[in-house]
Amino acid sequence: EAGVAQSPRYKIIEKRQSVAFWCNPISGHATLYWYQQILGQGPKLLIQFQNNGVVDDSQLPKDRFSAERLKGVDSTLKIQPAKLEDSAVYLCASSPSTGAYEQYFGPGTRLTVT
Amino acid sequence: DAKTTQPTSMDCAEGRAANLPCNHSTISGNEYVYWYRQIHSQGPQYIIHGLKNNETNEMASLIITEDRKSSTLILPHATLRDTAVYYCIVRAFNFGNEKLTFGTGTRLTIIP
Repeated sequence: EAGVAQSPRYKIIEKRQSVAFWCNPISGHATLYWYQQILGQGPKLLIQFQNNGVVDDSQLPKDRFSAERLKGVDSTLKIQPAKLEDSAVYLCASSPSTGAYEQYFGPGTRLTVT
Repeated sequence: DAKTTQPTSMDCAEGRAANLPCNHSTISGNEYVYWYRQIHSQGPQYIIHGLKNNETNEMASLIITEDRKSSTLILPHATLRDTAVYYCIVRAFNFGNEKLTFGTGTRLTIIP
């Protein structure tokens, strides 16, 4: 089966600009996650969706980050405006349902803010 | 979720068993031990999980001590493709609480 798809793979922007990342989860997976991974650290959950509803967004910097999952399939994560400290890899993951043991990760989008 | 402690890095010779330790001394009775790995420039990949019994799958074995305060991930015949960062994660199995809290993991290097 096809894995989690993300685009773009790389993005370079200047601070204060906006950027959006796209994620297409594995077909049929109801739960979708966005993680942020800063260089040298493990991934940190930003937001979790169950279908098109938000389950956990407690670590999402809501003043600049937003995410949506229209129709419970694809998802976009947006940063507006970007700061230097947003430079990181943004990982999307999906799982068949809440309570599933395994999360399937995409390759990530590497964002560099200059 | 309970905190985990892992060595920062380890080396293992190709073809030998790689044994990766993890300490989780504050683990609760309903918390599972999960292992993921992250190969360079890829997203994390699930390896195995367990509650209290030892577990084995096609990728690895997980040995959990009787008191559940520590565990060891075993890659029985390490290959160069096993070079990666390995994360030990402890998490309760709660519907609606799916967050994986990653630490900094163990960087495993397989030596030819």
